[in-house]
Amino acid sequence: EADIYQTPRYLVIGTGKKITLECSQTMGHDKMYWYQQDPGMELHLIHYSYGVNSTEKGDLSSESTVSRIRTEHFPLTLESARPSHTSQYLCASSALLTDYNEQFFGPGTRLTVL
Amino acid sequence: GQNIDQPTEMTATEGAIVQINCTYQTSGFNGLFWYQQHAGEAPTFLSYNVLNGLEEKGRFSSFLSRSKGYSYLLLKELQMKDSASYLCAVLDSNYQLIWGAGTKLIIKP
Repeated sequence: EADIYQTPRYLVIGTGKKITLECSQTMGHDKMYWYQQDPGMELHLIHYSYGVNSTEKGDLSSESTVSRIRTEHFPLTLESARPSHTSQYLCASSALLTDYNEQFFGPGTRLTVL
Repeated sequence: GQNIDQPTEMTATEGAIVQINCTYQTSGFNGLFWYQQHAGEAPTFLSYNVLNGLEEKGRFSSFLSRSKGYSYLLLKELQMKDSASYLCAVLDSNYQLIWGAGTKLIIKP
């Protein structure tokens, strides 16, 4: 079944730790995205990718990095987590069509940095 | 700058009709999306409009006026499960989605 998967769903870690949030999709999509969303607030795009070996920064300044070595996999890494990184992180994907860009979302990772 | 405005919160009664408005100012326009997001969950797609007019899909309809930079989502025969946030998002000239902050819809019995 075509879907988007994110792990872990919940993560509580201490300041300074390095973490990687995983995202995989079996939708066959080329474009993938990472968003950050605080409760009741809008989604902020932090990274996106058009395909393998393509990564772009979004509109939200972030100390995170991403990689796209395989089409279906788009992990997000925080080298040194801080309390300000506490948020929900949503991964999404879409087909590489320029006239219709419906995004499909994973279930999200809720990150708490102590 | 790019801007999308929608009311922060609305309250409606079960069985009634509610209209959620969205106005936008973006660099270019390649379509407008409405998403539903239940608390603690990911957004799910509801509708897409790129041409002026009304698109109907069951209990939900979405309207677009490109000249006015305006859209609305109409929900009929409200059910308790419709309690959620409704996000308006515009695809700009770079085919990037610009998101509104969402409208939290509270349904009362």
